[in-house]
Amino acid sequence: QQQVRQSPQSLTVWEGETAILNCSYEDSTFDYFPWYHQFPGESPALLIAIRPVSNKKEDGRFTIFFNKREKKFSLHIADSQPGDSATYFCAASDYNTNTGKLTFGDGTVLTVKP
Amino acid sequence: DAGVTQTPRHEVAEKGQTIILKCEPVSGHNDLFWYRQTKIQGLELLSYFRSKSLMEDGGAFKDRFKAEMLNSSFSTLKIQPTEPKDSAVYLCASSRDWGGYAEQFFGPGTRLTVL
Repeated sequence: QQQVRQSPQSLTVWEGETAILNCSYEDSTFDYFPWYHQFPGESPALLIAIRPVSNKKEDGRFTIFFNKREKKFSLHIADSQPGDSATYFCAASDYNTNTGKLTFGDGTVLTVKP
Repeated sequence: DAGVTQTPRHEVAEKGQTIILKCEPVSGHNDLFWYRQTKIQGLELLSYFRSKSLMEDGGAFKDRFKAEMLNSSFSTLKIQPTEPKDSAVYLCASSRDWGGYAEQFFGPGTRLTVL
């Protein structure tokens, strides 16, 4: 059962555009939503994360928008750069289970063209 | 501080062999995860330990996959017997015991090829 769904599978944008990556989830007990990125030949690494106490989290060019009612969250990458080309994974976890387990989406491959 | 280390970085096995992958988590981290990554299936959780106790053993991977954590600084993943469909990158990750909000730090992975 796929609990965290990502779309699109792949996305191509031009340098300077805003890339928008989407995720949705099913389990209403999820309350922590990180995004990891993975560059070719490397391992995933945490990029930015949000808890539902707020519906927006910013870190430089990266912003998470969160919609609890619709169980959706998205990553916006402003002023995209070729160096942002990577695979982006959204994930979710339930703090109340007191485990560190993350449920990952299948990933979005982002290509930024110069 | 050293990050998560994994050995070997590459492994080639014949079908039916037994292979053992090794992982050393970040010092002081209590949670350890083994994942399998393929282009088709994405990131699949194989095993999850907290303070050396097995929390989850990955359901569908039970029959030929066995992860162990004999001490807080070392874990192994045994695949026995290997099959060609096991060809993938195996990632180990660790995090602090901060419940559901802890960042997972990933190792460089072991690329396994089963012939």
